[in-house]
Amino acid sequence: QKEVEQNSGPLSVPEGAIASLNCTYSDRVSQSFFWYRQYSGKSPELIMSIYSNGDKEDGRFTAQLNKASQYVSLLIRDSQPSDSATYLCAVPRSYNTDKLIFGTGTRLQVFP
Amino acid sequence: DAGVIQSPRHEVTEMGQEVTLRCKPISGHDYLFWYRQTMMRGLELLIYFNNNVPIDDSGMPEDRFSAKMPNASFSTLKIQPSEPRDSAVYFCASRSSGYGYTFGSGTRLTVV
Repeated sequence: QKEVEQNSGPLSVPEGAIASLNCTYSDRVSQSFFWYRQYSGKSPELIMSIYSNGDKEDGRFTAQLNKASQYVSLLIRDSQPSDSATYLCAVPRSYNTDKLIFGTGTRLQVFP
Repeated sequence: DAGVIQSPRHEVTEMGQEVTLRCKPISGHDYLFWYRQTMMRGLELLIYFNNNVPIDDSGMPEDRFSAKMPNASFSTLKIQPSEPRDSAVYFCASRSSGYGYTFGSGTRLTVV
């Protein structure tokens, strides 16, 4: 089992819809979780972090964490074509929190 | 702040040649990370430094790869000799406290 798993996509949603991106992780002890956005040909940029079970909202973005199920998701409300990018889930190793392990990413396409 | 600065942006080299990638972290950041990104394997952590000291190089694929951080404002990743399978985008990232990685723009390496 990979340490951080994501569906590679592409996930296609119409403009204005909710995009739901999912990530599972294998380390049951992990305490913090991150979502990065990467536009084609660009570098990853941090958009959300979450540390506690439940939801965390920031503008149109909501991160959801369920530690019992080892599952973290990112919801994008009112999706815009400018949200089209690859979304990377990242989890630090519990025994060495300096090391951030990335999933392979889910490509999101928002069409007008 | 100019962010994390990497050079060159693109590098095309012949198999067997030495390649040196450069990184200038954000001033004040005490952690520096080198990642490699490919379509097949996603973002892989190669090595990271804390206060200029290499902490974990377990991700370095083989002895052909080496990295140095002679001071707080400069790091290099060297591949000697280069091989076609080294073709990838190499990212440098830095951070201070917490997990707010900032990535550089990356170096796209092509070995022919």
